[in-house]
Amino acid sequence: NAGVTQTPKFRVLKTGQSMTLLCAQDMNHEYMYWYRQDPGMGLRLIHYSVGEGTTAKGEVPDGYNVSRLKKQNFLLGLESAAPSQTSVYFCASSYFGPVEAFFGQGTRLTVV
Amino acid sequence: RKEVEQDPGPFNVPEGATVAFNCTYSNSASQSFFWYRQDCRKEPKLLMSVYSSGNEDGRFTAQLNRASQYISLLIRDSKLSDSATYLCVVTTSSGGSYIPTFGRGTSLIVHP
Repeated sequence: NAGVTQTPKFRVLKTGQSMTLLCAQDMNHEYMYWYRQDPGMGLRLIHYSVGEGTTAKGEVPDGYNVSRLKKQNFLLGLESAAPSQTSVYFCASSYFGPVEAFFGQGTRLTVV
Repeated sequence: RKEVEQDPGPFNVPEGATVAFNCTYSNSASQSFFWYRQDCRKEPKLLMSVYSSGNEDGRFTAQLNRASQYISLLIRDSKLSDSATYLCVVTTSSGGSYIPTFGRGTSLIVHP
């Protein structure tokens, strides 16, 4: 099993450009999450999904959109990138309930 | 006040030392608790779950104190390979969903 796979691994964007980060999991997990990690800030939840076709806002949702058209995929979109969105983005997934979450390897995004 | 608080450290200890980390959480309704380990520029990975009765895995012991709303991690006989950031994670129910909230992490450096 691949677990949780994120693409791309690295990306440099110019201010105002758009992009989509893809997260795919092969564990049949119901829950999927997008976090961003910044120095000194820890992991902060951007958006999450509790099932196919559902999404919800997390702690820092502004400037991001998400979609979960298929159970195994969770997409994170940046419509107009800003330097403040320079960060490491982690996707995670878990079964329903207060259980362990499994993480992808992360996407390092730089917005210049 | 952040929901999950940790001392960022770094904790700088010699090999063989015993070191302990604490983490406090603000929501008394929190339901599950974990310690994750994150190596530099890598994704977080589950180290161990934390139960009210306490649990031990080799050199690692985790404890939960619900009355005082904190969890702890004890590492005995520290190894160089234990150098990492340790993340406290608390899962709380929100509208029927279970959302993991991460602390900012505690950095451990084990030196020869």
